[in-house]
Amino acid sequence: EDQVTQSPEALRLQEGESSSLNCSYTVSGLRGLFWYRQDPGKGPEFLFTLYSAGEEKEKERLKATLTKKESFLHITAPKPEDSATYLCAVNPETSGSRLTFGEGTQLTVNP
Amino acid sequence: GAVVSQHPSWVICKSGTSVKIECRSLDFQATTMFWYRQFPKQSLMLMATSNEGSKATYEQGVEKDKFLINHASLTLSTLTVTSAHPEDSSFYICSASLGGLTDTQYFGPGTRLTVL
Repeated sequence: EDQVTQSPEALRLQEGESSSLNCSYTVSGLRGLFWYRQDPGKGPEFLFTLYSAGEEKEKERLKATLTKKESFLHITAPKPEDSATYLCAVNPETSGSRLTFGEGTQLTVNP
Repeated sequence: GAVVSQHPSWVICKSGTSVKIECRSLDFQATTMFWYRQFPKQSLMLMATSNEGSKATYEQGVEKDKFLINHASLTLSTLTVTSAHPEDSSFYICSASLGGLTDTQYFGPGTRLTVL
């Protein structure tokens, strides 16, 4: 069974304090891994897609990396506006275009 | 680019009535659209996948007669919650993609449904 586990469930950082969020996955074959950001009461906002181990993508203070078993979302010098829930999702080869989501990491950045 | 809208953003209805939610891809043609449901403090739960001009494929446990999905064009999909009950109250979110197996899904802002 395809599984996605995100850790930690919640993370509190001080402004400027860099950290990483983890997404571990177990799938029969990975087509793609996706990172989204979700603010309260809103739909997820697309951040990154990663397709193969070793791939890295960056956007402002965020950097996503991928290995054969997990993905990391690194946040460098976060700001309060980075506070949100970060969702990881995988597209297994056996699931067509359907995504399997993790439970998310709720990030709070204090000023 | 890749903007998806939903209407309405929130709706309150009485038990037993039906509610229709629209999902539109504003700047691209979406071959495939998805409907999700999200409960407080939980992740997204896929309800169904729809391809333009075809019947929707529902996930196990989702009642297709209760949650009617129509994907009439490449830019519009609708979800109708029929005979709504309080337990149907939730946050409904749609997403759209170009349809390729590795294509990114772009999400709408969501619709908050409250059934009294």
